[in-house]
Amino acid sequence: NAGVTQTPKFQVLKTGQSMTLQCAQDMNHNSMYWYRQDPGMGLRLIYYSASEGTTDKGEVPNGYNVSRLNKREFSLRLESAAPSQTSVYFCATRPTQVGELFFGEGSRLTVL
Amino acid sequence: SQQGEEDPQALSIQEGENATMNCSYKTSINNLQWYRQNSGRGLVHLILIRSNEREKHSGRLRVTLDTSKKSSSLLITASRAADTASYFCATDSTNDYKLSFGAGTTVTVRA
Repeated sequence: NAGVTQTPKFQVLKTGQSMTLQCAQDMNHNSMYWYRQDPGMGLRLIYYSASEGTTDKGEVPNGYNVSRLNKREFSLRLESAAPSQTSVYFCATRPTQVGELFFGEGSRLTVL
Repeated sequence: SQQGEEDPQALSIQEGENATMNCSYKTSINNLQWYRQNSGRGLVHLILIRSNEREKHSGRLRVTLDTSKKSSSLLITASRAADTASYFCATDSTNDYKLSFGAGTTVTVRA
């Protein structure tokens, strides 16, 4: 039982390159979230999907796109990476739209 | 802007002592949650307190909630070296389905 799996765990990009962070959960949860974590700033919500087929912007959506591919998978895409997007990205899920979140181990992205 | 703010930003205590950290938030909430993050790892849920609850216990953890002051506290009793981590409060607003986090409190427990 893997829980929430994020890939890749580490990535280095050059400015302007694109990439997709993948998140998959085997917990049969409806709601999925993408956060970024920067030193001293806690976690900030990028996008979330309350249920399959829906996505909504969070606090810091600019420069990102998401796809809720199916109930299990929620991907985050950087179309043209910028140094300001250097961060640790966390995917999280929960059974419904309220309650405890279950986190992946994070994806550490560096944009040069 | 972030919903929750923790205080203090950092805390250093001796093993066996209690650790207390506070969280303040801005809007009406369904519940408030506390999470722990060990260095380099994902966040782990510790405890959830609903808006109609005032106090909750889980093992060595005690959480209080004062909705009139929009504040919460997390008490860790008889701390251990393994409690060294960052602790975050998070709030489920009544307005939307976003869980908003504070900046966290870094706790160091000295042996």
